[in-house]
Amino acid sequence: KAGVTQTPRYLIKTRGQQVTLSCSPISGHRSVSWYQQTPGQGLQFLFEYFSETQRNKGNFPGRFSGRQFSNSRSEMNVSTLELGDSALYLCASSYTGTPYNEQFFGPGTRLTVL
Amino acid sequence: QKEVEQNSGPLSVPEGAIASLNCTYSDRVSQSFFWYRQYSGKSPELIMSIYSNGDKEDGRFTAQLNKASQYVSLLIRDSQPSDSATYLCAVWGAAGNKLTFGGGTRVLVKP
Repeated sequence: KAGVTQTPRYLIKTRGQQVTLSCSPISGHRSVSWYQQTPGQGLQFLFEYFSETQRNKGNFPGRFSGRQFSNSRSEMNVSTLELGDSALYLCASSYTGTPYNEQFFGPGTRLTVL
Repeated sequence: QKEVEQNSGPLSVPEGAIASLNCTYSDRVSQSFFWYRQYSGKSPELIMSIYSNGDKEDGRFTAQLNKASQYVSLLIRDSQPSDSATYLCAVWGAAGNKLTFGGGTRVLVKP
């Protein structure tokens, strides 16, 4: 089975711009979770989508949003970029996103905001 | 108090020795527990999952869970230089219906 894929792998943006990141889950997985990883804050949960619905959301401002399509692919969007948004953005997929489903990570998108 | 806590390390281990990593969590109703390995510049890779009290072995890795003490550990036997990485403990239910990660323990295996 192919793993989780994320595009693009690297992005450089300037403050105030917006960005869209894409995630394709493992075939058959219907839950996609997004995380932000920074050296200072570690891995932090952004949100989780299942069957095109946002089921859980972390403590991030409304500038961070996402969606999921009928084929389970997911996108996240960050508007009005700030310097502090520079991070590794990871998505993880699982079958149904419940406690006993393992999550598998994609390679991540490295976002740099200048 | 953080929901999931790990010693940041580095944990320095001689090649061939056992590396012992610890993780504590704050919410008694936490349901499932995972260990991930992350090499520098890479994404986390799932090593083990454990759901019930006791030990679970997979190759050179053993996960141990003690829900009464709110404690989960990972043992790496016969440590190899390729095991040098950051190990992340993740807990489902430590802070709501999601996976919460500890800060990670950096492990250095010296030849």
